[in-house]
Amino acid sequence: GQQLNQSPQSMFIQEGEDVSMNCTSSSIFNTWLWYKQDPGEGPVLLIALYKAGELTSNGRLTAQFGITRKDSFLNISASIPSDVGIYFCAGRTGNQFYFGTGTSLTVIP
Amino acid sequence: DAGVIQSPRHEVTEMGQEVTLRCKPISGHDYLFWYRQTMMRGLELLIYFNNNVPIDDSGMPEDRFSAKMPNASFSTLKIQPSEPRDSAVYFCASSSWGQGNTEAFFGQGTRLTVV
Repeated sequence: GQQLNQSPQSMFIQEGEDVSMNCTSSSIFNTWLWYKQDPGEGPVLLIALYKAGELTSNGRLTAQFGITRKDSFLNISASIPSDVGIYFCAGRTGNQFYFGTGTSLTVIP
Repeated sequence: DAGVIQSPRHEVTEMGQEVTLRCKPISGHDYLFWYRQTMMRGLELLIYFNNNVPIDDSGMPEDRFSAKMPNASFSTLKIQPSEPRDSAVYFCASSSWGQGNTEAFFGQGTRLTVV
């Protein structure tokens, strides 16, 4: 299957700091998605990107679809304690979604 | 919309027993996916359906696993017989292709523990 490399694997930051994480792939995707998963819950969609070069914001979250269509990044500005969780990238090709290994974010108050 | 609904949320069963996980996709979605999540392997696609028809079941680990989708609003994932290594969180997700822009929406998952 498709391999998505997501980094960093984990982050420990102070409240108020900005966060950046990214995903890269050896394959081209038609859609990039970013999810957040809280403990004991399913992944919740944060941002969807459909076009190469697209930059989309959702509140304090900003994500971009890489020009090569093989990468995407997610930025979180001014982090708050409730940002804690695991963030997953996902790429869609055809009818399937492929997921990164996740970035575990810890925000220290 | 209530979103993707899975049941049960938690299941503890003894090795060798049959386990059935259930999923109700979002109304109008024509794709349904079953994923398994573990610490070691992350999110793995097991099988997906389009219009109730299984399209790709190459992720199903063994013949002990089977999935059905008898209608557009219901799917099951069955493990028979269950083994301790099947312990994981199983997610169902649904998606719609029709509008071109597609995202997968997940249920809350079923945490399965096989003892």
